Amino acid sequence: QQQVRQSSQSLTVWEGETAILNCSYENSAFDYFPWYQQFPGEGPALLIAIRSVSDKKEDGRFTIFFNKREKNLSLHIKDSQPGDSATYFCAASPYSGTYQRFGTGTKLQVVP
Amino acid sequence: EAAVTQSPRNKVAVTGGKVTLSCNQTNNHNNMYWYRQDTGHGLRLIHYSYGAGSTEKGDIPDGYKASRPSQENFSLILELATPSQTSVYFCASGDPGAQDTQYFGPGTRLLVL
Repeated sequence: QQQVRQSSQSLTVWEGETAILNCSYENSAFDYFPWYQQFPGEGPALLIAIRSVSDKKEDGRFTIFFNKREKNLSLHIKDSQPGDSATYFCAASPYSGTYQRFGTGTKLQVVP
Repeated sequence: EAAVTQSPRNKVAVTGGKVTLSCNQTNNHNNMYWYRQDTGHGLRLIHYSYGAGSTEKGDIPDGYKASRPSQENFSLILELATPSQTSVYFCASGDPGAQDTQYFGPGTRLLVL
């Protein structure tokens, strides 16, 4: 069963808008939540990550909001640019450092 | 920057044939992983390794074997390829001590006819 869920397969926003990508999980033992960005023909690459002790992590235009009680998190991309068009994967792993479980991905398109 | 390379980048195989996908990493990471990526399923873990000589089953190991002969190399082996194994395969490496970041290779596109 899918332990990490991304509710939207695709999302389209206009350039300059804030894109919001959602993710939820089932396993309370998950502690580390990375988001990966993947461009066509390439492997995923780490974009930003958060640990469950925090409720927010910001890196430039990218922010993760984390709600431990509700077991969900979201990635906000502020001032979206056409170059942000990619597939975004939410992932999760326990504190023990075992392997990460990935969501099914959200394909973001930013229209100029 | 971690460097993970995969070969071949593209492969066409026949049903029942043997396929070996190779992965090499130059960052001295202990952990290595093999995933397959399919539309609607995201990335699913096939096998992983904690170091040379070790292989562990991931979530979907059936029909696949793995081999980790050295710190740098990790292979995925399909002894009897089937059309259902047509997919894009990604290798990744990582070190739990480094924030659990995984570094992915460019992928191998496999078509089994």
